[in-house]
Amino acid sequence: DAGVIQSPRHEVTEMGQEVTLRCKPISGHNSLFWYRQTMMRGLELLIYFNNNVPIDDSGMPEDRFSAKMPNASFSTLKIQPSEPRDSAVYFCASSLGFTGGGNYGYTFGSGTRLTVV
Amino acid sequence: KQEVTQIPAALSVPEGENLVLNCSFTDSAIYNLQWFRQDPGKGLTSLLLIQSSQREQTSGRLNASLDKSSGRSTLYIAASQPGDSATYLCAEPRDDKIIFGKGTRLHILP
Repeated sequence: DAGVIQSPRHEVTEMGQEVTLRCKPISGHNSLFWYRQTMMRGLELLIYFNNNVPIDDSGMPEDRFSAKMPNASFSTLKIQPSEPRDSAVYFCASSLGFTGGGNYGYTFGSGTRLTVV
Repeated sequence: KQEVTQIPAALSVPEGENLVLNCSFTDSAIYNLQWFRQDPGKGLTSLLLIQSSQREQTSGRLNASLDKSSGRSTLYIAASQPGDSATYLCAEPRDDKIIFGKGTRLHILP
């Protein structure tokens, strides 16, 4: 398996533009997570999907942020309109989830470094 | 609120030495504990996952232990190398989130 695949690796955009980040989880994983990492706040959970359904989006900072998972192999995180304070590294992670025998851990993608100027 | 704490925040060690990174957690019902490595500007690479039924896991020069009764985990790195320089993150993976420590920045001095 190629692991969790994120695109693009780097994104530079102007304030006010729409940004779409993409993620392909590991095949067979039923949980998908979007995290944001900044120097100030560290890693923050934005949203969590289980079996393609959003379960907890309480970490989404504002209505400008939205995430979708139309099928088990693809998810997007969209920021519209983008602002300079959105600059961060955005990670996607997937997991087998809780199976009754314990969580099998998380696998992270390489991240998308977003710069909003 | 469940928390994961890592001390120290930074550590410098001469090449060749064995070292231990520490992690403590408040969740007495912890299921699993996972150690990650993050290189500057890069993603998170999973190093070891210790499940609740296990007390330790080994991979090459790395050995991670889990002591649920004391709320502690350690990551032991044997014969350290400059390539081991990175930030090491301890985390508690749950079904609905993963709780991270703030990491220990390790620098191996050549």
